[in-house]
Amino acid sequence: DQQVKQNSPSLSVQEGRISILNCDYTNSMFDYFLWYKKYPAEGPTFLISISSIKDKNEDGRFTVFLNKSAKHLSLHIVPSQPGDSAVYFCAASSSGGSNYKLTFGKGTLLTVNP
Amino acid sequence: DAMVIQNPRYQVTQFGKPVTLSCSQTLNHNVMYWYQQKSSQAPKLLFHYYDKDFNNEADTPDNFQSRRPNTSFCFLDIRSPGLGDAAMYLCATSRDFGGNEKLFFGSGTQLSVL
Repeated sequence: DQQVKQNSPSLSVQEGRISILNCDYTNSMFDYFLWYKKYPAEGPTFLISISSIKDKNEDGRFTVFLNKSAKHLSLHIVPSQPGDSAVYFCAASSSGGSNYKLTFGKGTLLTVNP
Repeated sequence: DAMVIQNPRYQVTQFGKPVTLSCSQTLNHNVMYWYQQKSSQAPKLLFHYYDKDFNNEADTPDNFQSRRPNTSFCFLDIRSPGLGDAAMYLCATSRDFGGNEKLFFGSGTQLSVL
């Protein structure tokens, strides 16, 4: 039972355009969400996070939006750069109960074409 | 400047032959995790240590064991690897254990079982 879903296995965008990566979750106890980026042959690295008390968090070219009612979050990258080409994992956790561990989605492979 | 180091990067073992993967950290974090990631799948938590306290996920096979002799090192032992255990094994650390903790990952060990 996948609690964190990334329904697009891959996404291709042109350099300079916006990349939008989507993530849906089913567990209403989740209250903290993170995005990790993974290059080939490397481990995932933390990119950006958002708490459920917010609906937007921005860090440079990266913005994460959270829609709690829809149980949906998205990562926006603008402008996209070829170096952003990587697998992006959405992850979620809960500050209480038994869901404190990070639950990951399957990832979305982003390719930014020059 | 590596913070979470996994050795080896690639490991080949034979069906049924015990294998040990290692992880070390320079972050002095309390928590160390082992994740298994199969191709195109989400990273799956196998177990974690909070200091010396071991926590096994309910669905982690008995074939998988772990040791943490000190703060810096953690080992994953696969007692009798099967073909289905071929995967990327990711070690991660966090300062504490809670819903808003960021995980720091190593580069992973790609395990092949022949």
